[in-house]
Amino acid sequence: GENVEQHPSTLSVQEGDSAVIKCTYSDSASNYFPWYKQELGKGPQLIIDIRSNVGEKKDQRIAVTLNKTAKHFSLHITETQPEDSAVYFCAASPGSWGKLQFGAGTQVVVTP
Amino acid sequence: DTGVSQDPRHKITKRGQNVTFRCDPISEHNRLYWYRQTLGQGPEFLTYFQNEAQLEKSRLLSDRFSAERPKGSFSTLEIQRTEQGDSAMYLCASSLNTPGPYNEQFFGPGTRLTVL
Repeated sequence: GENVEQHPSTLSVQEGDSAVIKCTYSDSASNYFPWYKQELGKGPQLIIDIRSNVGEKKDQRIAVTLNKTAKHFSLHITETQPEDSAVYFCAASPGSWGKLQFGAGTQVVVTP
Repeated sequence: DTGVSQDPRHKITKRGQNVTFRCDPISEHNRLYWYRQTLGQGPEFLTYFQNEAQLEKSRLLSDRFSAERPKGSFSTLEIQRTEQGDSAMYLCASSLNTPGPYNEQFFGPGTRLTVL
């Protein structure tokens, strides 16, 4: 089955700097890659996703890139703010109906 | 609030007891998923419904676990004879049926289960 690895497990950045989180996946059939943000005591919140026919997608300060040949995708957050502090999860969908395989998460801490 | 809701938010039970959780998806969503999340890990898939049909179950879903979605709307997840290893956050997600895997899944706040 699909296996998703996520790095780093923790990431500390100064406010205003950029943060980058990287994920790799194993199943070449995966073709949908969402990113979720989870705050303490809450469920994961979808922040951006990318489909396999696209190499890059941007939404304001957040961008995601996908390299299908290398089987890796990344989340980029620019101009980080304290409210960006949370756990971020990448996921891959190898099935035809959308089952998600998640990475282990990255704890992002943005210090003022 | 039109998001996914889950009840209860917290449940503390003693080992061996049965517990039941409820999930109400976004009203027009016909796909519903259950995931389990342990501390420091990402959510793990448990089972999936399209309308009232349960179409896939993970190997994580032992025979002590049962999920239903009788009318294709809300869903329940029951754990019988709970064990301490069942302690986790149980998350529900819903999505709208579209061709392929490109269906955005929206998660509820989860039910935190603690088995003493």
